[in-house]
Amino acid sequence: AQSVTQPDIHITVSEGASLELRCNYSYGATPYLFWYVQSPGQGLQLLLKYFSGDTLVQGIKGFEAEFKRSQSSFNLRKPSVHWSDAAEYFCAVGSPYSSASKIIFGSGTRLSIRP
Amino acid sequence: GAVVSQHPSRVICKSGTSVKIECRSLDFQATTMFWYRQFPKKSLMLMATSNEGSKATYEQGVEKDKFLINHASLTLSTLTVTSAHPEDSSFYICSARDRDRWFFGPGTRLTVL
Repeated sequence: AQSVTQPDIHITVSEGASLELRCNYSYGATPYLFWYVQSPGQGLQLLLKYFSGDTLVQGIKGFEAEFKRSQSSFNLRKPSVHWSDAAEYFCAVGSPYSSASKIIFGSGTRLSIRP
Repeated sequence: GAVVSQHPSRVICKSGTSVKIECRSLDFQATTMFWYRQFPKKSLMLMATSNEGSKATYEQGVEKDKFLINHASLTLSTLTVTSAHPEDSSFYICSARDRDRWFFGPGTRLTVL
């Protein structure tokens, strides 16, 4: 069964500093991989996704993520965070081999920005 | 782009009543929709996969008689919380798949008094 782990519950970084949010997945092959962001009281917004091809994926808002098969990881990065990046971030996996292709979410990482 | 809507956005009901939440794909047809539940400051937990014209597939631990799912058309799936109790209070989010893209609704906040 597919699963995804986000080991960091809460991270605080200073505005302008770099950011890396960790994500590890468990799946028998290469799954579909996603990063979503959810601001308080808001819906989910897709930051980026990986299906195949180039392992470094560029997303919106200056985010990128790198798929590393050997580490079963898909960490999210941003070189310089802005106060507006404070939100909850979810890594998610989906199965490319199922017609239903449900998406399973990690537990989330709450990002706080220090002025 | 494609949009998924949910109605209502917020509902308050008394314990013991049933509540229906609608999920619509507005500009595409979705043979598969998904229902999630999110507790405050927690992650989205998949409840069930809704299949157009057939029975829903429920995740382990989700009571199918409690959470009735109907996917009668390619653009509409409904989740009915039957005999709601305070512990059913939560944020319910639906998702619809269009080929290799998944779209999420804005969510429905259910409060059971």
